[in-house]
Amino acid sequence: GNSVTQMEGPVTLSEEAFLTINCTYTATGYPSLFWYVQYPGEGLQLLLKATKADDKGSNKGFEATYRKETTSFHLEKGSVQVSDSAVYFCALSDSLYSGGGADGLTFGKGTHLIIQP
Amino acid sequence: GAGVSQSPSNKVTEKGKDVELRCDPISGHTALYWYRQSLGQGLEFLIYFQGNSAPDKSGLPSDRFSAERTGGSVSTLTIQRTQQEDSAVYLCASSEDSRTYEQYFGPGTRLTVT
Repeated sequence: GNSVTQMEGPVTLSEEAFLTINCTYTATGYPSLFWYVQYPGEGLQLLLKATKADDKGSNKGFEATYRKETTSFHLEKGSVQVSDSAVYFCALSDSLYSGGGADGLTFGKGTHLIIQP
Repeated sequence: GAGVSQSPSNKVTEKGKDVELRCDPISGHTALYWYRQSLGQGLEFLIYFQGNSAPDKSGLPSDRFSAERTGGSVSTLTIQRTQQEDSAVYLCASSEDSRTYEQYFGPGTRLTVT
């Protein structure tokens, strides 16, 4: 079956530090990959996505590159801010099995990120 | 426009009672998803609707769980004879259609079974 593994944290960094949150996956088909973010007291929001190998998703200064050879989709940001404090979820959708987004998403357990001023 | 809405936002119920959770998707979105978020299990996919039909109900945790969608819009997730292990945040998401990868999530319903 499908699975997503990510560092659980909490990860605590100082403002302006470089961020990496690792994410690796196993999938039966050829998945699409996502990062979702959950800010305190808010719902899950799509942060970025990549639908094929070597695609780079980016948004709000965050980036992640779909690496098929290492089955990874690590999230990076060059300079984090206090406002980036949130829980980050890596997720996949197995397009081969579902023909698209018809499956539910398979999520990692989430990484709690804390940015200190 | 308006996002996905869910009600109630919080529900406390006694063990053994039935509960009904409601999801109102983004207008025009034909695909609707239910997930459960709990401390021990993380985020689990429960069920998906395309229009009013759910092709696969195998993700529902037990036969005490059921879901329906009427009119291609509002969906309800019903849990019968609630147990303490049902305590979790129940999330609903919608997307334009089943071929669209981007799912938009509601704020969730926090269910506590005492």
